[in-house]
Amino acid sequence: GNSVTQMEGPVTLSEEAFLTINCTYTATGYPSLFWYVQYPGEGLQLLLKATKADDKGSNKGFEATYRKETTSFHLEKGSVQVSDSAVYFCALRATGGGNKLTFGTGTQLKVEL
Amino acid sequence: DAGVIQSPRHEVTEMGQEVTLRCKPISGHNSLFWYRQTMMRGLELLIYFNNNVPIDDSGMPEDRFSAKMPNASFSTLKIQPSEPRDSAVYFCASSLGIQDTEAFFGQGTRLTVV
Repeated sequence: GNSVTQMEGPVTLSEEAFLTINCTYTATGYPSLFWYVQYPGEGLQLLLKATKADDKGSNKGFEATYRKETTSFHLEKGSVQVSDSAVYFCALRATGGGNKLTFGTGTQLKVEL
Repeated sequence: DAGVIQSPRHEVTEMGQEVTLRCKPISGHNSLFWYRQTMMRGLELLIYFNNNVPIDDSGMPEDRFSAKMPNASFSTLKIQPSEPRDSAVYFCASSLGIQDTEAFFGQGTRLTVV
């Protein structure tokens, strides 16, 4: 079946540090890939997405590239801010089989001054 | 649009009581998802509907949980009887049901069973 694997958290960084959160997936066909962010006390919000191989999704300084050869969709940001502290979820929606979204377990990011 | 609306935002109930969580998806969306989030298990998909029809309920924990979607603008998740281990944040999400479209989440219902 389809699955998403994320790196374990929490990840603690100093402000302006470089961020990478790894995400790999298993799916048949050509899934669409997403990163969602959850701020404390809120629901999940879409951060970025990519719908085909080699697409790069970007938003708010975050980027992720759909790598089919390595089945990966790693999230990166060049300089994190305290306001980026949140939980980040990688997700996929596979082709066929309905519209089920499969999420990873989430990675908590803490950014300190 | 006001987004996905869930009610109540918080619910505290005693063990054994029936609990009903409600969700109004975004108008025009034809897929609806119920998720449960806990510290131990993270975000779990309980059930999802396409065009008001349950497609996959394999994530529903046990017979005490049931979900309905009587029309395109309303869904309920019911727990009867509730137990302390059901304490969690329950999220409803909706989407257009097209592969590359995002799911929009409600703010969640925080359920505490004492």
